[in-house]
Amino acid sequence: DSGVTQTPKHLITATGQRVTLRCSPRSGDLSVYWYQQSLDQGLQFLIQYYNGEERAKGNILERFSAQQFPDLHSELNLSSLELGDSALYFCASSVKAGKGTDTQYFGPGTRLTVL
Amino acid sequence: GQQLNQSPQSMFIQEGEDVSMNCTSSSIFNTWLWYKQDPGEGPVLLIALYKAGELTSNGRLTAQFGITRKDSFLNISASIPSDVGIYFCAGLPLQGAQKLVFGQGTRLTINP
Repeated sequence: DSGVTQTPKHLITATGQRVTLRCSPRSGDLSVYWYQQSLDQGLQFLIQYYNGEERAKGNILERFSAQQFPDLHSELNLSSLELGDSALYFCASSVKAGKGTDTQYFGPGTRLTVL
Repeated sequence: GQQLNQSPQSMFIQEGEDVSMNCTSSSIFNTWLWYKQDPGEGPVLLIALYKAGELTSNGRLTAQFGITRKDSFLNISASIPSDVGIYFCAGLPLQGAQKLVFGQGTRLTINP
């Protein structure tokens, strides 16, 4: 158990809908990262938040957004869902903001299926 | 963008055999991490490497951070059935935010 929790574990929805994925980082970790894992693209970095502020963006679509709340939990919002958005979405957390060596620990993931 | 080339893509071995896999990159990385992922689960950190040349062990697992900072390998000795899974290398670029870059993964299958 990495200490990172994600809910829900599974999510099934229809195209065009909007969903919210939730992540709670390990106790004491200030950074939260979101990753998408699909069969054809592998694990791809989406976005990072540190202490409530966006720190880095990766391959995140404009239809997707995220935020980190004062209690440090984070939510990833996916809107206007398409079939191709079906994937595993992972949250990871680490202590630091992004300098030097900082290890990321992953949650169990949310499997999103768009029908 | 930055990419990691991980090989082999898959391995089929007998229980008790040693395993070796590696990752290479065209650019320098500050940190190398090795993760194992079981079906339907999140990646679990196995070994973290922070310095060029560093050799680190975790039980039967040994990993090294290449001197050039552009490669890393993972060895598993005396494989057992629970070693089955997908192993990913991941690297952190030299500068900037913590955008982990992942290899394509090595799927390990063990015949008892």
